[in-house]
Amino acid sequence: DAGVTQSPTHLIKTRGQHVTLRCSPISGHKSVSWYQQVLGQGPQFIFQYYEKEERGRGNFPDRFSARQFPNYSSELNVNALLLGDSALYLCASSLGVSGRWDTQYFGPGTRLTVL
Amino acid sequence: RKEVEQDPGPFNVPEGATVAFNCTYSNSASQSFFWYRQDCRKEPKLLMSVYSSGNEDGRFTAQLNRASQYISLLIRDSKLSDSATYLCVVNNNAGNMLTFGGGTRLMVKP
Repeated sequence: DAGVTQSPTHLIKTRGQHVTLRCSPISGHKSVSWYQQVLGQGPQFIFQYYEKEERGRGNFPDRFSARQFPNYSSELNVNALLLGDSALYLCASSLGVSGRWDTQYFGPGTRLTVL
Repeated sequence: RKEVEQDPGPFNVPEGATVAFNCTYSNSASQSFFWYRQDCRKEPKLLMSVYSSGNEDGRFTAQLNRASQYISLLIRDSKLSDSATYLCVVNNNAGNMLTFGGGTRLMVKP
């Protein structure tokens, strides 16, 4: 079975531009979460979606937005890029069941460089 | 203060050694706990969940101390392939959103 897939794998943008990152969850998973990992740090939560509804939002500016589609795939959009947005963007999928042990599985990430 | 804190290391150990990592978390309402492993420039992968009673998976043992709000990971008989960054992760049950520590880097040498 295919795992979580993300596209593109690498991306180079300049300050002020806009970027869209895409994620396809594991088949049967209904929840998608997005994380940002800056070099040398642990991943930081950005958004979580379940059944197309936003379930949670981390401490990120409004330049960051996301959505989930009927097939459970998801997009993360970042507007007005800053140098500090350079990071590995990770998508994680899970079944979305309630409870504490809804394991999240990560995709390979999109490495964004902002020049 | 960070919500989840780890010693960044690196821990340099010889093959066959036993190594232990600790992690502390600040939110006493945290519900579930995990250790993820991350290889260089790769995605995090779940190593093990950490249950209240502690759990063991082969050479790996995880313990949880709720009173002191810390989590530990013990690796016995270290292999070269154990070299990676180990991420301590806490779920505060606010919709299954994970909070990661900064990671502890382990380097196992021949």
